[in-house]
Amino acid sequence: DADVTQTPRNRITKTGKRIMLECSQTKGHDRMYWYRQDPGLGLRLIYYSFDVKDINKGEISDGYSVSRQAQAKFSLSLESAIPNQTALYFCATSDPETQYFGPGTRLLVL
Amino acid sequence: RKEVEQDPGPFNVPEGATVAFNCTYSNSASQSFFWYRQDCRKEPKLLMSVYSSGNEDGRFTAQLNRASQYISLLIRDSKLSDSATYLCVVNRNNNDMRFGAGTRLTVKP
Repeated sequence: DADVTQTPRNRITKTGKRIMLECSQTKGHDRMYWYRQDPGLGLRLIYYSFDVKDINKGEISDGYSVSRQAQAKFSLSLESAIPNQTALYFCATSDPETQYFGPGTRLLVL
Repeated sequence: RKEVEQDPGPFNVPEGATVAFNCTYSNSASQSFFWYRQDCRKEPKLLMSVYSSGNEDGRFTAQLNRASQYISLLIRDSKLSDSATYLCVVNRNNNDMRFGAGTRLTVKP
């Protein structure tokens, strides 16, 4: 089984809809992250969490919110999706040296 | 200007060739450095960390030049399986990672 899982893997939604992306990990790491990847821009950090009570904004948090429900779970919400949020979203966990990524969620906002 | 800059490529090389990628970063307070590999439509995976003294892992050699704020990756004896996008990653502090957009490598028979 994968150490970091994301659901859904693909999602198509319409402008204005609320959508939640889920992430779970079995690595026992405290640190979890949400990134988005766009062609030519690389991965950009949206939010990160160093433990259940800690949430921090990343480079591009506007339009997003997160919830750390447990050490193993970190969800990303788009309260009112817009087309420029179409991207590939990755969840990750980390130890002090390495980030471990989930398989990604492809989101298309029409 | 992006905080981490890479030549996007693509680099198209024959099997057995040596290829080098460079990456520059703008935040002089950056603390640690990495190369990640990303296959098409897959998640990034750590290839190697980059240490000040330089480090080697098989056919891969990474170098860091803090004074000039650049990082390099050298791949010797390229294999078909090396075809991927290589991401330069800079840890500003406390796991605040900044990623380059990646350099695409295609190794051809």
